Amino acid sequence: NAGVTQTPKFQVLKTGQSMTLQCAQDMNHEYMSWYRQDPGMGLRLIHYSVGAGITDQGEVPNGYNVSRSTTEDFPLRLLSAAPSQTSVYFCASMRTLNTEAFFGQGTRLTVV
Amino acid sequence: AQTVTQSQPEMSVQEAETVTLSCTYDTSESDYYLFWYKQPPSRQMILVIRQEAYKQQNATENRFSVNFQKAAKSFSLKISDSQLGDAAMYFCAFHTGANSKLTFGKGITLSVRP
Repeated sequence: NAGVTQTPKFQVLKTGQSMTLQCAQDMNHEYMSWYRQDPGMGLRLIHYSVGAGITDQGEVPNGYNVSRSTTEDFPLRLLSAAPSQTSVYFCASMRTLNTEAFFGQGTRLTVV
Repeated sequence: AQTVTQSQPEMSVQEAETVTLSCTYDTSESDYYLFWYKQPPSRQMILVIRQEAYKQQNATENRFSVNFQKAAKSFSLKISDSQLGDAAMYFCAFHTGANSKLTFGKGITLSVRP
């Protein structure tokens, strides 16, 4: 079982470049989220989705866009990368709100 | 706003001993769910244990148990018979029935001394 597949695992960007982090799940989960993890800050919610066509902002949405055209996919777009976006990014999905969140393996992004 | 506080950034325990990791949260909701996640050096997030707020009985999963104090809004994790493989970062998290946001604490790094 694939679970949550997140790509790439590592990425280096130059300031001002754009890119998309891919996230796909094969568990038919309605709820999907993107987090960033920084030292001493825990996991902070960037954007989340409660189903196809529905997205909302989390705690730190600035500089990021998302869309949810299908139940399976929830890509995260960095529009113009900045050094402050250097972080580890996690995608997660849940079947329902009171069940376990399944996480991708994370993407370590460095913006130089 | 809902918040999760893990006030201890680091803890250490002797192998085979017991350790308790603290977590407090704040919400005005009565329906919510609490979780502890483990993140080993591999970076993979792993669910350790979960607790529904409406259940008075504390959740237990093998060597892991929680002390859920609803009135105090406290949700601590007890690890018994600590093993070297327990060394990791542990995150407390919760969400309410009123929204879809899973909120995490800042995490605590647990080291296990052989």
